[in-house]
Amino acid sequence: KAGVTQTPRYLIKTRGQQVTLSCSPISGHRSVSWYQQTPGQGLQFLFEYFSETQRNKGNFPGRFSGRQFSNSRSEMNVSTLELGDSALYLCASSLDRALSYEQYFGPGTRLTVT
Amino acid sequence: KQEVTQIPAALSVPEGENLVLNCSFTDSAIYNLQWFRQDPGKGLTSLLLIQSSQREQTSGRLNASLDKSSGRSTLYIAASQPGDSATYLCAVSTGANNLFFGTGTRLTVIP
Repeated sequence: KAGVTQTPRYLIKTRGQQVTLSCSPISGHRSVSWYQQTPGQGLQFLFEYFSETQRNKGNFPGRFSGRQFSNSRSEMNVSTLELGDSALYLCASSLDRALSYEQYFGPGTRLTVT
Repeated sequence: KQEVTQIPAALSVPEGENLVLNCSFTDSAIYNLQWFRQDPGKGLTSLLLIQSSQREQTSGRLNASLDKSSGRSTLYIAASQPGDSATYLCAVSTGANNLFFGTGTRLTVIP
C-alpha cells in the first residue's frame, strides 16, 4: 500500500506570493491533518479535514487555508507569504477521525520564503 | 492547553546500550499517545501508538509505556544500533482532535 505523498517536495517563493501544497493520503484514509514544523516552534497543528469538512483548526492566521476533495486528497494554501512561513509542512492521514487512530505522515514539503 | 515535554533534549550512547526516552504531558485527558522518529529533513515515521486504556506497547526492540494519571510515557530502546540515530518525538491526541508534539529527543548511537 502506498504511503502518504506530498507535492512538491521543495518550494522557493518570495514574500507576498501565495503557494498551494498537495497531500494524497493512504488509500482508504479519510482524515488528513496538516502540521508546520520550524526549528523555533517545533511541530504545530494547522487543521484537520474529514469527509471534505474542516473539523479542527490550530492557532494560525487566516492566510493559511485548506480543503479536501471527495477522494480525500487535500490541499493547503498560504497567501501573502511572509519570511516566517518558511518551514517544513507535513501532512498526516488516518483511517478515521484522528482521535483514536494512528496517524501516518508524508515526507513533507520544504517551503523557503525569500 | 496541553503541553508536552521531552527529556533529555539530546542523548549520545554507545552501540549496544539500552536507553530510555521520557515524555510528559500536562493534561491527562488524552485519547492516545504516539511515538515517532524523524530523520534529518524527513517526515515522521510512526513507531508505537498507545491508546489511553493501555499501559504499554511493544514492537521489536521498542517498548513504550503510558501512565496517564501521572502524565508520563517512556520509550525504551533495547540494544541500540547506529541506525537508531534520529530525533524521537512523542505526541498526544486530545479531544480537540489534533496532535500535540513534544520538542523531541535527538539520539546519537555511537558505533
